[in-house]
Amino acid sequence: AQTVTQSQPEMSVQEAETVTLSCTYDTSESDYYLFWYKQPPSRQMILVIRQEAYKQQNATENRFSVNFQKAAKSFSLKISDSQLGDAAMYFCAYTSLNNDMRFGAGTRLTVKP
Amino acid sequence: DVKVTQSSRYLVKRTGEKVFLECVQDMDHENMFWYRQDPGLGLRLIYFSYDVKMKEKGDIPEGYSVSREKKERFSLILESASTNQTSMYLCASRIGGQTNTEAFFGQGTRLTVV
Repeated sequence: AQTVTQSQPEMSVQEAETVTLSCTYDTSESDYYLFWYKQPPSRQMILVIRQEAYKQQNATENRFSVNFQKAAKSFSLKISDSQLGDAAMYFCAYTSLNNDMRFGAGTRLTVKP
Repeated sequence: DVKVTQSSRYLVKRTGEKVFLECVQDMDHENMFWYRQDPGLGLRLIYFSYDVKMKEKGDIPEGYSVSREKKERFSLILESASTNQTSMYLCASRIGGQTNTEAFFGQGTRLTVV
């Protein structure tokens, strides 16, 4: 089975600064997608950004961008100009054509004012 | 907007009880998932279903079963609840057959087994 590893249980960042959350994955598939999800305290999980394995260009959504290194099976999330509302659990996720979706253990991000 | 609704936000059950967790989605999604969320362990896949009456075991299916009789509803069943099943349970759904579609989550059910 595919595995997703997030090695940083907790991270903190100063408001307006930049932070990078790490994720690695293991797969033998060639066609897959990677996602970052955000789970704010006591609120529902929502999608932050997604990346297709075939695309070399890194995905970007406003202040959120990824650094996708396919050969290294690495998929990190960069949050620029951090805001208080970015405080949440962040989960890296993997999915392939077999339809299931696997998540990492999560990183709790604290934003300091 | 896609809506995924879990029947209960909080649930307290006794050891040995049969427990049903219900999940309903309103967007005609083929795929539905049940995850268990525990601190430090993230989301672990219990079961997923890629169509009506179809199911696949995830990473931790022991002690659980599922039912999907209708496309919009995916039920998680704890046949005989145990204290080690105390956890947050998350349901999700997504369009099937494609890798790029995002999953939409319910609000979660925090189950306590006493």
